[in-house]
Amino acid sequence: QVQLQESGPGLVKPSEALSLTCTVSGGSMSTSSYYWGWIRQPPGKGLEWIGSIYYSGSTYYNPSLKSRLTISVDTSTNQFSLRVTSVTAADTAVYYCARRRSGTSYKNAFDIWGQGTMVTVSS
Amino acid sequence: DIQMTQSPSSVSASVGDRVTITCRASQGIASWLAWYQQRPGKAPKLLIYASSGLQSGVPSRFTGSGSGTDFTLTISSLQPEDFATYYCQQAYSFPYTFGQGTKLEIK
Repeated sequence: QVQLQESGPGLVKPSEALSLTCTVSGGSMSTSSYYWGWIRQPPGKGLEWIGSIYYSGSTYYNPSLKSRLTISVDTSTNQFSLRVTSVTAADTAVYYCARRRSGTSYKNAFDIWGQGTMVTVSS
Repeated sequence: DIQMTQSPSSVSASVGDRVTITCRASQGIASWLAWYQQRPGKAPKLLIYASSGLQSGVPSRFTGSGSGTDFTLTISSLQPEDFATYYCQQAYSFPYTFGQGTKLEIK
């Protein structure tokens, strides 16, 4: 079955860039039924959708982060990545990658999630 | 942005109880709503998609309903593993947004 796994540094300095990669195993990213996304959760708080990408490279970003955000995909390695620039303490969170099922049946629900990776912004 | 408001924010219940959680959208979202369960230290898990679709492998004691702006998640007979935090999420328009969560605690 399809599994997702996040990877990247757990500590980032303020004003620097946060970069994470999600590796998809057990299936190809290059299918029309799915989008691939990032969601984050600050400690003790709720969930925030960051953005999504299609295997073709089309992206959808949360306007609250758009100016600092880049999501990219590499179908040859079955990975997609997140980059957030100029980070502050407010970007400290658990970052999840997830698969979104498109179409009228599932109506864009996130059906498979990675285990999450904690990123702390601190000097 | 569409705001999602859950109620209650927390609820205490006993094993075997029936519990209902409500989610209200700030504007109509048809049935573009999902429910997730999150246990401490774990990733969210999809329970319900498209307002009432039961995700594969999820017990039938979980039921979702609603359309437009008002939605409910009902757990018919609480089991020990159901004590967790529950989130609703709208996927009708960008940016996708989540409710603030409902923490289900053991009484």
